[in-house]
Amino acid sequence: QKEVEQNSGPLSVPEGAIASLNCTYSDRGSQSFFWYRQYSGKSPELIMFIYSNGDKEDGRFTAQLNKASQYVSLLIRDSQPSDSATYLCAVPRGAGNNRKLIWGLGTSLAVNP
Amino acid sequence: EPEVTQTPSHQVTQMGQEVILRCVPISNHLYFYWYRQILGQKVEFLVSFYNNEISEKSEIFDDQFSVERPDGSNFTLKIRSTKLEDSAMYFCASSDSLQPQHFGDGTRLSIL
Repeated sequence: QKEVEQNSGPLSVPEGAIASLNCTYSDRGSQSFFWYRQYSGKSPELIMFIYSNGDKEDGRFTAQLNKASQYVSLLIRDSQPSDSATYLCAVPRGAGNNRKLIWGLGTSLAVNP
Repeated sequence: EPEVTQTPSHQVTQMGQEVILRCVPISNHLYFYWYRQILGQKVEFLVSFYNNEISEKSEIFDDQFSVERPDGSNFTLKIRSTKLEDSAMYFCASSDSLQPQHFGDGTRLSIL
């Protein structure tokens, strides 16, 4: 089983709709989860991160954790064409403060005007 | 807002040649990382670095790879004898304690 899995998409939504992106993880002990956005040819850009103690909302973005089923979701409300990108889920792995990120392949999102 | 900077943005090199990719992490960060992303594939961890030594390295990070922090600001990745399969985007990242990692814009490495 892969450590971090995402549906590669593409996920296509109309402008103004809610985009829902999911990520499953294999390590039940994972404590934090990161969502990055990556435009084509660019580097990952941090959007949100959550810890295992609860969901988080930041503007149009909401990250939700389902520990029982081992997945995290990213909801994008009022989707805009500029949100069209690949969304990467990453989970830290290792001990202490110096922890590598394990990445999913990413979900490609297309927001249609 | 502080940024991680990487140079060059694009490096074209003949197979077998040595390349050095440079990174300037965010100034008060203590943890440094290199990742790579082959076109169309997922981001892969290469190496992490803390307190002037490697903390962890992946299977990809073999004897052809090395990292250095030659001074108080730069963090470099060297590939001694490049192979075609080293062609990828290489990303440098830095973080402070448990905070998320911040990424540079990357170096696109093309091996001919």
